[in-house]
Amino acid sequence: GQQVMQIPQYQHVQEGEDFTTYCNSSTTLSNIQWYKQRPGGHPVFLIQLVKSGEVKKQKRLTFQFGEAKKNSSLHITATQTTDVGTYFCAVRSGGYQKVTFGTGTKLQVIP
Amino acid sequence: EAGVTQFPSHSVIEKGQTVTLRCDPISGHDNLYWYRRVMGKEIKFLLHFVKESKQDESGMPNNRFLAERTGGTYSTLKVQPAELEDSGVYFCASSQDGGISAPLHFGNGTRLTVT
Repeated sequence: GQQVMQIPQYQHVQEGEDFTTYCNSSTTLSNIQWYKQRPGGHPVFLIQLVKSGEVKKQKRLTFQFGEAKKNSSLHITATQTTDVGTYFCAVRSGGYQKVTFGTGTKLQVIP
Repeated sequence: EAGVTQFPSHSVIEKGQTVTLRCDPISGHDNLYWYRRVMGKEIKFLLHFVKESKQDESGMPNNRFLAERTGGTYSTLKVQPAELEDSGVYFCASSQDGGISAPLHFGNGTRLTVT
């Protein structure tokens, strides 16, 4: 089945530093979604990328989809304590559009 | 619009007992998914309903797990008999359609502890 790897698994940053998580697939993706799960919470949809090389921004968050549509990244500029949580990429695949989640990157922000 | 609701929020049961989790998707969402997150690790796919039909149940661990969605509205996930390794947070999610542009809306999850 579809496998999507994320790196790093964990990241501790000082508040104000930048953070990036990467999502990699061995196969070409039709799309990629990003979700955030706060500690004790549930995954919340952030954004979706569909086009090759696409870049989207949400305030301090920048999302990119690789030219070959096999990888994606989420970059947070000047992290804040509210950014704490686990960030997951997710892809739809298969005839019935099963959604497979990446392994996740847990972000800890040190005040 | 009411979100995805799950019940119960927590459940503590002994090994060998039965537990039934319930999920009410957002009204009008034909697609319903069950996921499990164990020990803070990845979110593992369990199965996917479109209306009342199981489209993909490739993630169901074994035959101790039974999911139903009678009438295509709410869904239940029964674990019988429960084992220690079944502990984790069970999430339900729904989406308006199964197309690539549809985001998943998650419920708050049911934290299952098997002792």
